[in-house]
This record gives sequence, structure tokens and C-alpha cells, in this order.
Amino acid sequence: AQSVTQPDIHITVSEGASLELRCNYSYGATPYLFWYVQSPGQGLQLLLKYFSGDTLVQGIKGFEAEFKRSQSSFNLRKPSVHWSDAAEYFCAVAPFSGGYNKLIFGAGTRLAVHP
Amino acid sequence: NAGVTQTPKFQVLKTGQSMTLQCAQDMNHNSMYWYRQDPGMGLRLIYYSASEGTTDKGEVPNGYNVSRLNKREFSLRLESAAPSQTSVYFCASSREGTSPAQHFGDGTRLSIL
Repeated sequence: AQSVTQPDIHITVSEGASLELRCNYSYGATPYLFWYVQSPGQGLQLLLKYFSGDTLVQGIKGFEAEFKRSQSSFNLRKPSVHWSDAAEYFCAVAPFSGGYNKLIFGAGTRLAVHP
Repeated sequence: NAGVTQTPKFQVLKTGQSMTLQCAQDMNHNSMYWYRQDPGMGLRLIYYSASEGTTDKGEVPNGYNVSRLNKREFSLRLESAAPSQTSVYFCASSREGTSPAQHFGDGTRLSIL
């Protein structure tokens, strides 16, 4: 079955530490890939997206993500986390079968940042 | 620079009541979407409208209806609200074609008693 998996429900890091949030998908062909962030009480904001080309993509707020076709993964990274990064992060895919317009979301990873 | 605007932001209903959630976008996007967000389940697509005049079911359409009023507006209606529909509802919009990144509103928090 088609799915998006974010294995970590909660992650806690110290401010200034590095961060990696995992995302795996299961689709027959490479879909479009996205990471969104949701602050408490807010809507979702697009961090970055991958459509094709360079497998390392840069996003806003100092985030980057790497697409690895062999592992069906699209992990989100940040070298040094700031307290304001505390939020919930969602990986999403737009499979070709949906005309690339339907987003399938993972369950999310909630990030806490310790001072 | 409003983007996607949802109204109301909060609502409490009694079981069996009806309600329409409103959504409008000012980005001239063709496609619009309604999602619900429940704890531990991410966002699930309820209905979407690929373009003005068309609507299609998503993953969880039961108990909902939609209307694409014009290019800007896409409403979601609960005809007879049930406690299982307590959720946070998000509207989103996107351009067609090679840039399907969706832009989200701030959500409507709906409680059904």
C-alpha cells in the first residue's frame, strides 16, 4: 500500500545541536516530495520541495533535505537548531497517480528544543 | 498578502447540527483542497477541486459535501455533525502543473458535542 512513514513521533534536541528528521515513502515511481512545518495553532508552511535534479535541496530557515532513491527516503536536516524551530514537521508526497496534486502526509514528528 | 483565508477559526456544534466552513484564496490558484487533522494521523484529504467547476473525493469524504463557488472560494459542509468529525480542518490551494506545492490556511478548530 502507498504510504509515508515518519518513524519518530517525538524528538528532543538541545539548542545548537544538529537535527535529522526521517521520512520514508512507498510508491512505485518517484513522487514529488515536500517538508512542511506547523507551529502551534498555525497552518502548515512549506519548508522545501523536491521535484527532480539535485538530490540535496535547500529550504527556508536553514533546513535542507536529501532525496535517496535507493532508500525511498527524504530526510530533513539542520546543522544547528534554534529554539524557534520547536514545532511539528510533516513529510508529504504527491504521487504521479494523483496527478501530482494530491498530497499524502506522514503522521508528523514533534520537535522539542531544550535551551 | 492574505493567501488562504478560513472562517471561522473556532466553532462548537451539537450533534446533528449543520455547518459550512468557508475558504478563500487570493493567489489565482486553480486547485483547492480540504483536509482534516487528527492527533497522530497527519492530514487526510477530504475533498479537492482540481479546477473551477470540478470536485472529487479524497481519502475521507463520508459525512461531508463541498462546493467550488468560483475560482477563489471552496466551502466544506457538514450536513449532520457527528462527534467523530471533531477535528482541525485545513483548506489549501495550489497551481496546476509542475509546481503542486500547496499553500495552507490557519485552520478551523471544530468541536462536536
